[in-house]
Amino acid sequence: AQSVSQHNHHVILSEAASLELGCNYSYGGTVNLFWYVQYPGQHLQLLLKYFSGDPLVKGIKGFEAEFIKSKFSFNLRKPSVQWSDTAEYFCAAHGSSNTGKLIFGQGTTLQVKP
Amino acid sequence: EAGVTQFPSHSVIEKGQTVTLRCDPISGHDNLYWYRRVMGKEIKFLLHFVKESKQDESGMPNNRFLAERTGGTYSTLKVQPAELEDSGVYFCASSPSSGYGYTFGSGTRLTVV
Repeated sequence: AQSVSQHNHHVILSEAASLELGCNYSYGGTVNLFWYVQYPGQHLQLLLKYFSGDPLVKGIKGFEAEFIKSKFSFNLRKPSVQWSDTAEYFCAAHGSSNTGKLIFGQGTTLQVKP
Repeated sequence: EAGVTQFPSHSVIEKGQTVTLRCDPISGHDNLYWYRRVMGKEIKFLLHFVKESKQDESGMPNNRFLAERTGGTYSTLKVQPAELEDSGVYFCASSPSSGYGYTFGSGTRLTVV
């Protein structure tokens, strides 16, 4: 069955700390991968996406993610977090041949202490 | 460009009542999706419209849920009668027929008491 799993449900960091949020997927066939962020009171926004090509993907606000096919992983990273990064982060996937239906992970709440 | 608009933003209803959620997609987006997040769980797909046609409704929980997309523009999701387990945040998203461009609305928080 298709699934996306996020390892950490709640992460607390101090400003300037490095961030890595884990995401693993189980998907038959070619998969497209995404990270979304939801800031408090706002809508889901796309941070970055991977369709093909360079497995290291750079997104907005200094975030990046690396697609490692052998590990079925797509972890999100940021070298130095800011208080404004406090939000909930979602990893998601869909098959390249499907209708665009997204499979989401459980979400990770990131709290950055000033 | 205007984003995806959902209303109401919050709704509190009693068990057994009917509620209708509305989603206005980005103008020109043929694809419209509904998702739901029950507290503590992941965001789950409900259904997908292409224009006015239901492309995939495999995620609809049961026949108490009815989605429509009149004229391929806005969409409504009706829950009748509502049950306690229907509480959650209902998200709508739209995307164009080509390219990625998946855009989410802010969601409707439904509480059934």
